[in-house]
Amino acid sequence: EAGVTQFPSHSVIEKGQTVTLRCDPISGHDNLYWYRRVMGKEIKFLLHFVKESKQDESGMPNNRFLAERTGGTYSTLKVQPAELEDSGVYFCASSQVTGEKLFFGSGTQLSVL
Amino acid sequence: SQKIEQNSEALNIQEGKTATLTCNYTNYSPAYLQWYRQDPGRGPVFLLLIRENEKEKRKERLKVTFDTTLKQSLFHITASQPADSATYLCAREGDGGFKTIFGAGTRLFVKA
Repeated sequence: EAGVTQFPSHSVIEKGQTVTLRCDPISGHDNLYWYRRVMGKEIKFLLHFVKESKQDESGMPNNRFLAERTGGTYSTLKVQPAELEDSGVYFCASSQVTGEKLFFGSGTQLSVL
Repeated sequence: SQKIEQNSEALNIQEGKTATLTCNYTNYSPAYLQWYRQDPGRGPVFLLLIRENEKEKRKERLKVTFDTTLKQSLFHITASQPADSATYLCAREGDGGFKTIFGAGTRLFVKA
C-alpha cells in the first residue's frame, strides 16, 4: 500500500512568487490534514478536509494560503504571494478515523528568499 | 488555555536501558493521547494511541500510560537501542475532536 506522498520535496522561491504544494493521501482515507513546522517550533495544524469539504481551517495563517481537495482525492496548498515567514516544512497527513492514527508524508521544505 | 507539554531537553540514555518520556496536559481532559516518532527529514510516524479509560497500552518494546489524576502520559521504550534515537511527539485531539495538536517533542539519544 502506497503511503502519503508529497510533491515537491523541496521548493526555493523568491518573496512575492507563488508556490503550489501537492499531497496524495492514502487511498480510502477521507481525512486529509495540512501541518507546518517552522524552524525550531512544534508542528502546527493548518487545516483539515473530510473528503472534499474543509472541516476546519482555523490554523491557516492568512488569506495568502489556499487549500483545495478536488473530488476528495489529492489536495493542493497554494501560497500566493509567498513571504519570508512562510518558510518551513509543510506536512500532509491522512487518516481513516478523524483525528486518530495519522499517516504523514515526508513533507515539502519551502524556502522563501 | 489548553496545553500539551513535553520536556524540551534531550534525553540521553545508554543502550539496553529503559527510556521514559513525559507528556503533561493542562486545563482540559483529553479523550485520548497519541505518540508519534519523527526522524530527521521525515514526517511523524504513529506509534500508539491510549484512551482516557485505558491505564496502559503496549506494543512490542513500547509502553504508554495515561494518568488522568496526574494529567500525564508516560512513554516507555524498554531495552532501548541506538535505532530508537529520534524525536518523540505527544499529541492530543483538538477542539471538537477534528484535528490533532502536537507537542514540541522530546529528542531521545541512545548511546551504544
